[in-house]
Amino acid sequence: QKEVEQNSGPLSVPEGAIASLNCTYSDRGSQSFFWYRQYSGKSPELIMFIYSNGDKEDGRFTAQLNKASQYVSLLIRDSQPSDSATYLCAVELYNFNKFYFGSGTKLNVKP
Amino acid sequence: NAGVTQTPKFQVLKTGQSMTLQCAQDMNHNSMYWYRQDPGMGLRLIYYSASEGTTDKGEVPNGYNVSRLNKREFSLRLESAAPSQTSVYFCASSEALVGTLQAYGYTFGSGTRLTVV
Repeated sequence: QKEVEQNSGPLSVPEGAIASLNCTYSDRGSQSFFWYRQYSGKSPELIMFIYSNGDKEDGRFTAQLNKASQYVSLLIRDSQPSDSATYLCAVELYNFNKFYFGSGTKLNVKP
Repeated sequence: NAGVTQTPKFQVLKTGQSMTLQCAQDMNHNSMYWYRQDPGMGLRLIYYSASEGTTDKGEVPNGYNVSRLNKREFSLRLESAAPSQTSVYFCASSEALVGTLQAYGYTFGSGTRLTVV
């Protein structure tokens, strides 16, 4: 079983809609959860992170964490075509700042 | 404001050849990492260095060696390249200190696309 699971997609949403990206993880010792965006042929770039159960908002992005159910999600409000990319979920274990990445969900935002 | 610089950007090797991928960061970060990214597999950690002078294995270290030359530089060496090592390699750095409570995100280099034939 992989440490971090994501649906590979593609997830297609119309422009202006809410995109919901989900990630599950296997180790209950996981401490920190990060979301990265990766455009095709480019390197990943950090979007946001969350440590505590609940929601964390940053602009159009909201990260949600539920440690009891072992999932973390990313909501993108008012999706734009420029949001079309692969979104990587990363989970850190035991404060080692060493992350396990999911394989990513490809998001397509249609104009 | 270079961030993390990787060289080369592209490389083609023949099976059995060796090469070193170079990585340097100018952000005074403590931790550095090497990942490989393959289709459908996501990013997998090869080696990491929590601080200057220390290195540790990640998920997929076989066939690789690393050197943390100083705080800025962290190189990855393939001693005898194999077709299974065809991949995109990313170096990353983080200001995190291992063992501290707060994790920090990574800054990634632009990647090295390696093909082994």
